[in-house]
Amino acid sequence: GQNIDQPTEMTATEGAIVQINCTYQTSGFNGLFWYQQHAGEAPTFLSYNVLDGLEEKGRFSSFLSRSKGYSYLLLKELQMKDSASYLCALMDSNYQLIWGAGTKLIIKP
Amino acid sequence: IAGITQAPTSQILAAGRRMTLRCTQDMRHNAMYWYRQDLGLGLRLIHYSNTAGTTGKGEVPDGYSVSRANTDDFPLTLASAVPSQTSVYFCASSVSSGSPSTGELFFGEGSRLTVL
Repeated sequence: GQNIDQPTEMTATEGAIVQINCTYQTSGFNGLFWYQQHAGEAPTFLSYNVLDGLEEKGRFSSFLSRSKGYSYLLLKELQMKDSASYLCALMDSNYQLIWGAGTKLIIKP
Repeated sequence: IAGITQAPTSQILAAGRRMTLRCTQDMRHNAMYWYRQDLGLGLRLIHYSNTAGTTGKGEVPDGYSVSRANTDDFPLTLASAVPSQTSVYFCASSVSSGSPSTGELFFGEGSRLTVL
C-alpha cells in the first residue's frame, strides 16, 4: 500500500525560509506533487517532481529523492499570504493521486 | 471565466434525503474527479471519470454515485445521506488521465455539506 507523512503544522517568520517535508512509502511511483490550499478555498497546483533533484519556481522550490521516499517544499522570502496548508500528493502506478493530510503553515510578522 | 463551477456552495441536509452536487467545467478536460476533504485527513477520491461515458470508483465510493453524460458535467449523488457524509466536497479536472499530467488538477471552490 501507500503511506504519506507530513507535519501537521509549522510556524515561520515573515521574510524567512521554511522547508516542509513529505515522506512516503509506495510500491508504484509516477511523481510527487505539491499543492497550496488557503483556508476555505480550493487547492491549487504548485509543483511536480518525477526525477530526483530540485525544481525551482520563483520563491518556491521542490525537491525529490526517490531512493529515500522523501520530498520537501522550500519557501523563500516568506510573505503573510503564504499562510496556508501545503498538500503533498503521490501519484501511484495507476496515475491516481494519494494525498497527505497537509501541513498548515502559519506565518508570523 | 474558465474553470470549474460547483453548486451548491453550502447545504444542510436531513439524513435520508437525496442530494446531487453539481460540477461543470469549461476547459474541455477529459478527466474529472470527486474528492471529499475531512479535518485531519487527506483528500480522498470518491469517484472519477477518465472520459465522457466512463466512470470509476475511488477510495471511498460507498453511498455515492456519479454519471458523465458529456465532457463538461460530472454530478455526484448521495442517494440517502448519512451524517458521516458531512464533509467538504471538491470537484476537480485534469487534461487527461493515465499520464503524469493527470496530477495537475484544477479544483472547483468546494461544496460544504452538513448532514443532520
